[in-house]
Amino acid sequence: GAVVSQHPSRVICKSGTSVKIECRSLDFQATTMFWYRQFPKKSLMLMATSNEGSKATYEQGVEKDKFLINHASLTLSTLTVTSAHPEDSSFYICSASGGVRGGYEQYFGPGTRLTVT
Amino acid sequence: AQKITQTQPGMFVQEKEAVTLDCTYDTSDQSYGLFWYKQPSSGEMIFLIYQGSYDEQNATEGRYSLNFQKARKSANLVISASQLGDSAMYFCAMSDSWGKLQFGAGTQVVVTP
Repeated sequence: GAVVSQHPSRVICKSGTSVKIECRSLDFQATTMFWYRQFPKKSLMLMATSNEGSKATYEQGVEKDKFLINHASLTLSTLTVTSAHPEDSSFYICSASGGVRGGYEQYFGPGTRLTVT
Repeated sequence: AQKITQTQPGMFVQEKEAVTLDCTYDTSDQSYGLFWYKQPSSGEMIFLIYQGSYDEQNATEGRYSLNFQKARKSANLVISASQLGDSAMYFCAMSDSWGKLQFGAGTQVVVTP
C-alpha cells in the first residue's frame, strides 16, 4: 500500500514554456502533499506544502508565481513550472502524507526529471 | 529552527559487513519524527525506518536498525550484513509538528565485493 505516482517521469521543454507535473496517491487519501526539488548530488529541498482545497504554503525563496501548485483532490496535486528556464532544470519529487504513523510518514513519488533547453 | 546533520559524505563498506551512518539533529520541538531514506541512482526515495521522539525502543526493520540517542540528539542508521544492492545515497530526515521533512546532506554508500 501507500503508492504515489508521478507523471511524467522525464520531460524536456523549451525555455519559456510551461510544464505540469502530476502527483497522485493511488491507494490512500493524501491530506497533505509536499513538493521537493533536488539538484545533482544534493539533498532534497522542500519547495511547498499543499493541503487539499487550500492554497499551498511556499518555503522561503520559492517563487509562488513560478511554481504553481494545485491540490484539487485528496489524491492529486499538480506542480506547474511556468515560463521555464534552464536554471529550473532539476529533479522534482512529490510526497504524500496521510499514513498511519501519526501523520508523520510521507510516501514519495518516483520523481520527475525536468530539462529545460 | 530545525537542523539535520550528516557528516559523512561517502563511505565504502565490504559486502556482508555492517555499516553505521551518522545523523545528528537539533530541534526545539518535543514531538518529532526521525526517518531514514535510501535513494538509488534511479532517484526514487525508499523509506527505510522511522523513530518517533517518544519511542523508547530503537526502531528495527529487517537489516536496518536506528540507534536513537535522544540526549545526544543522534539517530544513526545501522545496516547489517551489507549487500551490493545497498549501494545508494542515504538521507536522514526529521519531521516537525506540521509534518514537514527536513533532510540531511546525505551519505553515499558504496558496497564492495
